[in-house]
Amino acid sequence: GQQVMQIPQYQHVQEGEDFTTYCNSSTTLSNIQWYKQRPGGHPVFLIQLVKSGEVKKQKRLTFQFGEAKKNSSLHITATQTTDVGTYFCARGQQTGANNLFFGTGTRLTVIP
Amino acid sequence: GAGVSQTPSNKVTEKGKYVELRCDPISGHTALYWYRQSLGQGPEFLIYFQGTGAADDSGLPNDRFFAVRPEGSVSTLKIQRTERGDSAVYLCASSSPRAGGQSSYNEQFFGPGTRLTVL
Repeated sequence: GQQVMQIPQYQHVQEGEDFTTYCNSSTTLSNIQWYKQRPGGHPVFLIQLVKSGEVKKQKRLTFQFGEAKKNSSLHITATQTTDVGTYFCARGQQTGANNLFFGTGTRLTVIP
Repeated sequence: GAGVSQTPSNKVTEKGKYVELRCDPISGHTALYWYRQSLGQGPEFLIYFQGTGAADDSGLPNDRFFAVRPEGSVSTLKIQRTERGDSAVYLCASSSPRAGGQSSYNEQFFGPGTRLTVL
């Protein structure tokens, strides 16, 4: 189907520890976007990955797109309390429309 | 500049009633999307407008749901004969015209959502 699966569903880390969330699809993805949603907030765009094997960095965040374009990951180095929230990956519609199909999300809790 | 705005922020209604949810996209954004998010879930696509027309309404769950965007800016999501299962946060997002070729999509800017509760 259209859904992308994310693991883990929840993650609790001590502040300063690293965190990784994984996004998997049974079909090849044309692109993947990552969004962050703070508790009580709305999704905010982080990054888009398009190319096979692509790696992008934003400060402590590293995003990867698998070689087969069926999986992606988001890694946060040395988490901070400001990283708290739910991280979603989202795939684009294959047929050219712009709507997104969101993954199940990983909810990150950072313990100070 | 102003982001995406949605009104009302909260709507409580009774089963069987009709509701309208409004979305004001970012000025100049031709694409507008409606999603619905239930507690603990990711946003679920409902409908996508490119300009005034619904380019993809395949996510609307049934014919009680309808959305319009008559002038290519503000959009209204309409739900008839509401049911308790319609309770969720309804999110609107907008994006600028696509750039970067076939395989890339512009980022979507989300509004704060309307929390709909059907009693």
